[in-house]
Amino acid sequence: GAVVSQHPSWVICKSGTSVKIECRSLDFQATTMFWYRQFPKQSLMLMATSNEGSKATYEQGVEKDKFLINHASLTLSTLTVTSAHPEDSSFYICSARKAPGLEQFFGPGTRLTVL
Amino acid sequence: EDQVTQSPEALRLQEGESSSLNCSYTVSGLRGLFWYRQDPGKGPEFLFTLYSAGEEKEKERLKATLTKKESFLHITAPKPEDSATYLCAAGGTQGGSEKLVFGKGTKLTVNP
Repeated sequence: GAVVSQHPSWVICKSGTSVKIECRSLDFQATTMFWYRQFPKQSLMLMATSNEGSKATYEQGVEKDKFLINHASLTLSTLTVTSAHPEDSSFYICSARKAPGLEQFFGPGTRLTVL
Repeated sequence: EDQVTQSPEALRLQEGESSSLNCSYTVSGLRGLFWYRQDPGKGPEFLFTLYSAGEEKEKERLKATLTKKESFLHITAPKPEDSATYLCAAGGTQGGSEKLVFGKGTKLTVNP
């Protein structure tokens, strides 16, 4: 199998606070994990690529100081949204690559609402 | 620049009415073409990987095919539970990247 979990599944926070989202590969080791953002009725937007033990690679236009990514182990990556604002409200989805293929297996997503 | 285009954007079928979804791609050095299914409020679910032109894969009522320029997802005798958004993604060799380029998806609705 290739199961990826995310926690929490939803979170509501006040403007200015930070929120951490965890992404775990449950039954395989993932050297590479990805973080996506999805707006209503739109496709996935890649935010960053996370490699275990090294700094994340951010896509153009994504603020690395606002969206902190840590990939401390082969089964865990975290995304921290710092000083969240209402415009950060979105559906955040992680995925993990199961080597040697390019297939990405996705988590169930986290719905973030910033009041 | 690598691109993936899916058509149609939305498709309504009657139960049992077979059809196909299209995914056109321009990717440098295709390493894989992927199909996913996404239900509302959930993460995408992996369906198929196709590696080379002429390859076909099947799963229940779904069959994916690949040519040098496009991929098709054929749905045979669909049921209401097949309603979902189907995403196509391509992985290439550009810059040695592991990234996938996703299309915008086709929203399929199957009416009973």
